[in-house]
Amino acid sequence: DTAVSQTPKYLVTQMGNDKSIKCEQNLGHDTMYWYKQDSKKFLKIMFSYNNKELIINETVPNRFSPKSPDKAHLNLHINSLELGDSAVYFCASSRGQSHSPLHFGNGTRLTVT
Amino acid sequence: GNSVTQMEGPVTLSEEAFLTINCTYTATGYPSLFWYVQYPGEGLQLLLKATKADDKGSNKGFEATYRKETTSFHLEKGSVQVSDSAVYFCALQTGANNLFFGTGTRLTVIP
Repeated sequence: DTAVSQTPKYLVTQMGNDKSIKCEQNLGHDTMYWYKQDSKKFLKIMFSYNNKELIINETVPNRFSPKSPDKAHLNLHINSLELGDSAVYFCASSRGQSHSPLHFGNGTRLTVT
Repeated sequence: GNSVTQMEGPVTLSEEAFLTINCTYTATGYPSLFWYVQYPGEGLQLLLKATKADDKGSNKGFEATYRKETTSFHLEKGSVQVSDSAVYFCALQTGANNLFFGTGTRLTVIP
């Protein structure tokens, strides 16, 4: 029943490793997003995809690569993890219209040691 | 450019107190305005929205009015409860994929 689901909920890993976070939405939305939330709760958009095509790619290290196999999925791959990547990552989706709100997943807390 | 300036927290109130969280914005065009709420350990949820000037969004006792003349969208609630403790985000959206969040305001309501 979960509208936007992301896995895993927690991810603890060491510096230099490569990891992935998966996201799926069952709302039939055309647009999906990845946001990063830091320890001060500040939200920053990372990527936005519309119908599997990249729309927004903010200033994010190229170690971060989104992959959208279909419009219901947007996965986030992170290579060569660094300490500063520790944060909560949120997936979201929307209808992609100017007044359409975002529906968020519950977040993945990534801790890099 | 587009930006949202939100009242800095944290805000601590006693139960049944009146709540105001200020939000002002700068935008090109005619944005839609939103308040999202984030409860501990969860993702953001839409609380309310307004899509044009003078619209009032309301939900769960919270209200906010889209004021174009003051470029504001302040969040209010007449009587807060402990269960309202959360982080509140003001946001504006100017196009299909242009969503801008404020920095969030943490509210703690004590019994």
